[in-house]
Amino acid sequence: DGGITQSPKYLFRKEGQNVTLSCEQNLNHDAMYWYRQDPGQGLRLIYYSQIVNDFQKGDIAEGYSVSREKKESFPLTVTSAQKNPTAFYLCASRSRSPGTFTSTDTQYFGPGTRLTVL
Amino acid sequence: AQSVTQLGSHVSVSEGALVLLRCNYSSSVPPYLFWYVQYPNQGLQLLLKYTTGATLVKGINGFEAEFKKSETSFHLTKPSAHMSDAAEYFCAVSLGGAAGNKLTFGGGTRVLVKP
Repeated sequence: DGGITQSPKYLFRKEGQNVTLSCEQNLNHDAMYWYRQDPGQGLRLIYYSQIVNDFQKGDIAEGYSVSREKKESFPLTVTSAQKNPTAFYLCASRSRSPGTFTSTDTQYFGPGTRLTVL
Repeated sequence: AQSVTQLGSHVSVSEGALVLLRCNYSSSVPPYLFWYVQYPNQGLQLLLKYTTGATLVKGINGFEAEFKKSETSFHLTKPSAHMSDAAEYFCAVSLGGAAGNKLTFGGGTRVLVKP
């Protein structure tokens, strides 16, 4: 089955610790995105990557870092510098080449990881 | 920069009644517009989108939306609500490939369906 997987589904961390959230896709999509969701605020873009070994900051990148060493993987690290990390984190991907079942303008989302800082 | 406003963070409808969710946007260039649905503790699923062409767009689960440039709106409707429509709905705007297809989301509207 093609899709986007995020692990773990629930994650707990102690204040002051770094934590890495996984995002993997087997859709052969070029572009990948990380969003943060807080109640009543919709989703906000953290980082995005349009090709391997390249990524750009989104609207709320402070306290986060990413890497894009492989096309299928785009891990997000929440560092201790992120002042309010408790949130629901969503990963998305998008094809840059039109196909039978995908279009280049649409992002497809993973199931999300809920991070709680204790 | 683009922005999206969804009027009403919560909407309550009776089963069988019309569902109307409002979305207004601001954009300096013709935007791409999307509606996504989210069920509790899940990711987002695309309902429908407008990029070019026909302004009335039909999506999954009986939903449709109309792009009205003069009103900068993209309201979502469904003629008859079903219990399974209870979820949170997000309107989003993109400026397309020139801007990395980044999405800007509205704050979301949570729909409650009463039996």
